Amino acid sequence: DTAVSQTPKYLVTQMGNDKSIKCEQNLGHDTMYWYKQDSKKFLKIMFSYNNKELIINETVPNRFSPKSPDKAHLNLHINSLELGDSAVYFCASSHQDGNSPLHFGNGTRLTVT
Amino acid sequence: GESVGLHLPTLSVQEGDNSIINCAYSNSASDYFIWYKQESGKGPQFIIDIRSNMDKRQGQRVTVLLNKTVKHLSLQIAATQPGDSAVYFCADWGPNTGGFKTIFGAGTRLFVKA
Repeated sequence: DTAVSQTPKYLVTQMGNDKSIKCEQNLGHDTMYWYKQDSKKFLKIMFSYNNKELIINETVPNRFSPKSPDKAHLNLHINSLELGDSAVYFCASSHQDGNSPLHFGNGTRLTVT
Repeated sequence: GESVGLHLPTLSVQEGDNSIINCAYSNSASDYFIWYKQESGKGPQFIIDIRSNMDKRQGQRVTVLLNKTVKHLSLQIAATQPGDSAVYFCADWGPNTGGFKTIFGAGTRLFVKA
């Protein structure tokens, strides 16, 4: 069984569109995250939620809006997509607020044309 | 902000040799350090971790060394195998601007030659 699953795996869309990425974890973890990986493989944290509450909100454009309906799900909605949003987005979860290993999904490759 | 960095972006080793991947971190308040392995098309996968009250920890074929004096972290892989080819990331967890965060280094790509 997949521990952290995110959909879709690939997302190709045009500039200006709105899209969502979904993430679910079945590990019983309290904390979930979104990371962005650029073309140089650099991983940068975007958001983290603990028990449905936002605890980290990095300097991310407000076009990005995370939503956590329950502690097993953390979705990412992106409005008015721009070329620079093209990247691989990873969802992750952990037992505590990061003081334990992160478990990552396999990523969503977003391409904005 | 502070960041975690790696000395070498790529490392090429012969199958059967030992590999050493180095990492320098800058946050002296970091308390927890982790190594991840990322294979093509997949998310980073936990390999081994170490807390700041330790200087060495061993796993199966992997060893992590922590030198807090010079803020240096290394991952040693014994008898490197083709399946070890991947990108390796060090990460540290500790207080940062905006709260406690796991910050990743830039990654080192390991090539294993048969």
